[in-house]
Amino acid sequence: ETGVTQTPRHLVMGMTNKKSLKCEQHLGHNAMYWYKQSAKKPLELMFVYSLEERVENNSVPSRFSPECPNSSHLFLHLHTLQPEDSALYLCASSQEMNSPLHFGNGTRLTVT
Amino acid sequence: EDKVVQSPLSLVVHEGDTVTLNCSYEVTNFRSLLWYKQEKKAPTFLFMLTSSGIEKKSGRLSSILDKKELFSILNITATQTGDSAIYLCAVAKSNAGNMLTFGGGTRLMVKP
Repeated sequence: ETGVTQTPRHLVMGMTNKKSLKCEQHLGHNAMYWYKQSAKKPLELMFVYSLEERVENNSVPSRFSPECPNSSHLFLHLHTLQPEDSALYLCASSQEMNSPLHFGNGTRLTVT
Repeated sequence: EDKVVQSPLSLVVHEGDTVTLNCSYEVTNFRSLLWYKQEKKAPTFLFMLTSSGIEKKSGRLSSILDKKELFSILNITATQTGDSAIYLCAVAKSNAGNMLTFGGGTRLMVKP
């Protein structure tokens, strides 16, 4: 148990589907993040939220849409994805913006 | 462009061996370097290094940073099969909050 819970663990979706990934942190942290981990590529930062305000959108396509309704929850809404979007999507949180990240177990996404 | 390079890409050793993992970086406004261990899904935090020449130690793991030569090493002594994982290095910049740049990782396999 990492203190950061992601659901679902696995997701298979077609290119025309709409789905959402959910992340919840039980650590009382103030910042939350979405990272993408593709095969044979380094972890890539997608979005950062600090105190529920988005502070970074790292040139991510608009088919990925984040939502942070409160400091404990983070969503990633997906629509009209491409097969190359198949990856492990990791959520993380940190106490402050300069603190180490605590990662969830990720959602393994496959786009068919 | 910021760059974090880890070597070797992969490593196979036997239990009891000592290993040294390398991480070199080229970033502007360096703030800190972090090491993570990723066994199956969630990367777990190992060390955060901000000052040159000061070794951080946790059990059989230790790490040190050289800000002049722009690299860090992670040492694991008396390796065990449970040390098998991908070891990730990441760099944080002083003007970019917690937007880490990750290296590609070193995959370590420890054989019995």
